[in-house]
Amino acid sequence: EFVLTQSPGTLSLSPGERATLSCRASQSVSSSYLGWYQQKPGQAPRLLIYGTSSRAPGIPDRFSGSGSGTDFTLTISRLDPEDFAVYYCQQYGWSPRAFGQGTKVEIK
Amino acid sequence: QVQLVESGGGVVQPGRSLRLSCAASGFSFSTYPMHWVRQAPGKGLEWMTVISYDGNNQYYADSVKDRFTISRDNSKNTVYLQVNSLRAEDTAVYFCARGGDRDALDIWGQGTMVTVSS
Repeated sequence: EFVLTQSPGTLSLSPGERATLSCRASQSVSSSYLGWYQQKPGQAPRLLIYGTSSRAPGIPDRFSGSGSGTDFTLTISRLDPEDFAVYYCQQYGWSPRAFGQGTKVEIK
Repeated sequence: QVQLVESGGGVVQPGRSLRLSCAASGFSFSTYPMHWVRQAPGKGLEWMTVISYDGNNQYYADSVKDRFTISRDNSKNTVYLQVNSLRAEDTAVYFCARGGDRDALDIWGQGTMVTVSS
């Protein structure tokens, strides 16, 4: 069974700090088919990054993605107050298009 | 503007069925694959199913493949999710989403809540 494991489960940081979120796959994922989403309470998820490193339209350049194979990273260079949310990675190269369990970025 | 609007959720008894709808507007619906994703209260996202742009291909998560059916009507710009034999663990917000560039989920609806309870 294919699994995406995100770490840490919770990240406690202050505004202005750098956030580094990890997504590890149980088998290799094509970099073309790895994405990141942000979800705030009571809202639908929003696509941030697709194809490992491409920002979706309207996404600030403080968000960046990297990685290959089984290890992928979402980096938020300087946390803005609006960035405190839950982040999910997803592979969409084959079915099932699995999500990771999420990383919550909370205000320290 | 580009928009997806889900409907059809509600409170339903275990074992019953429901059909969820997702109406699209603001884009060329018939050229995009469409997905359903659900989120149980306080839990993470669970991908459930996708249908190709023309409706000829569908894929399902193992957890729902025998009970859920995705379909679409391109003349009505709508995708559907037929959910049968509902269980308490199907209680969740159900989102539809558009498969954009390389099928990343680039547009999401606001979700419709399904509560399975006697």
